[in-house]
Amino acid sequence: ILNVEQSPQSLHVQEGDSTNFTCSFPSSNFYALHWYRWETAKSPEALFVMTLNGDEKKKGRISATLNTKEGYSYLYIKGSQPEDSATYLCAFGNTGNQFYFGTGTSLTVIP
Amino acid sequence: DSGVTQTPKHLITATGQRVTLRCSPRSGDLSVYWYQQSLDQGLQFLIQYYNGEERAKGNILERFSAQQFPDLHSELNLSSLELGDSALYFCASNKANTGELFFGEGSRLTVL
Repeated sequence: ILNVEQSPQSLHVQEGDSTNFTCSFPSSNFYALHWYRWETAKSPEALFVMTLNGDEKKKGRISATLNTKEGYSYLYIKGSQPEDSATYLCAFGNTGNQFYFGTGTSLTVIP
Repeated sequence: DSGVTQTPKHLITATGQRVTLRCSPRSGDLSVYWYQQSLDQGLQFLIQYYNGEERAKGNILERFSAQQFPDLHSELNLSSLELGDSALYFCASNKANTGELFFGEGSRLTVL
């Protein structure tokens, strides 16, 4: 069983603040790194799929970077809004197409 | 709507019983994954099927089994249920390697 770690476990920020989370994963058998957004009472939805070392993806105020050699990815949210409040999950995809999730970072944006 | 359908949404049963959870993947998706989310735990990978065949096993108990049928829907069978099996069970599907997972709404199992 692979160990995918996310930090911090939870985070409270003020509206307008920028923030970032970390996902660390094994550097061997890497195939893809996914970020998902999981709102309460809903199911996880994909934000980014990254496969190449050095990948940077952006969607609006949210962006992510990937370092496969050292086994980490960062998710950044610029100018946090209350609607950004959710749990953010990362998932490590190995060469066998299995996906192992971290425990997530719970973000609360205070208006 | 992700296109992945799970039934039932909620299930309450007693210890020792057996239940079956059902998942219909998105149209065209060949891979089906099952995950368990227990209280204060992340999504634990249980098992993966691809085009009817088991592809990988994760943290799945021997009391649990699954299969994927020719029409690509999948069932997760949980038997000899224990209190600790109470959890939210998610099914997800995707098309190909590295493709994002599309999740169903989950089946919440409560074992009393």
